[in-house]
Amino acid sequence: DAKTTQPNSMESNEEEPVHLPCNHSTISGTDYIHWYRQLPSQGPEYVIHGLTSNVNNRMASLAIAEDRKSSTLILHRATLRDAAVYYCILSSEETSGSRLTFGEGTQLTVNP
Amino acid sequence: GAVVSQHPSRVICKSGTSVKIECRSLDFQATTMFWYRQFPKKSLMLMATSNEGSKATYEQGVEKDKFLINHASLTLSTLTVTSAHPEDSSFYICSAMGHYSNQPQHFGDGTRLSIL
Repeated sequence: DAKTTQPNSMESNEEEPVHLPCNHSTISGTDYIHWYRQLPSQGPEYVIHGLTSNVNNRMASLAIAEDRKSSTLILHRATLRDAAVYYCILSSEETSGSRLTFGEGTQLTVNP
Repeated sequence: GAVVSQHPSRVICKSGTSVKIECRSLDFQATTMFWYRQFPKKSLMLMATSNEGSKATYEQGVEKDKFLINHASLTLSTLTVTSAHPEDSSFYICSAMGHYSNQPQHFGDGTRLSIL
């Protein structure tokens, strides 16, 4: 499975934007970029996913580099409830049967 | 959004007991379900993939006779940990996907299994 690289941890202040980076230099043409987050003692929660174009939803925005070798998850106004581990994962039906391989993710701390 | 319900949320039992965990998709048909386990302060590890009506596909190193998976309907998959021992204590999480490919997985809230 194509791997991703994320910083171990990041900090943000409440109500400020947060940009969570992810590098995936070995991404294949059919790989989608998925972002999930996990709060303590809960199952992961889907955040957003995309293939080539930038994506927006009510939770976040996903900015994908033109060469697709990196992407950035953008939380426009961080809240305390956004404190979680954020996972950037590559997956496609063709290459992995839609299986998700979780890395270590980025632990986001949000300061009041 | 899509809802996946996992039950029970917590189990404490004696060594040698078999434990069944249920995973239900409440508002969509889950053609594929996944089972993960997660140790403290570690990431999720995929254990197996199950498709409705088929035998589960287990990841390398996961004992299929130890972790029995049944996916008999489009809304229910079960994981049975047979003859559980303390080293099986972990956080078990299921997820479900609908029919279309490259769609998000929807996760349950996990089951914390503690074997005494």
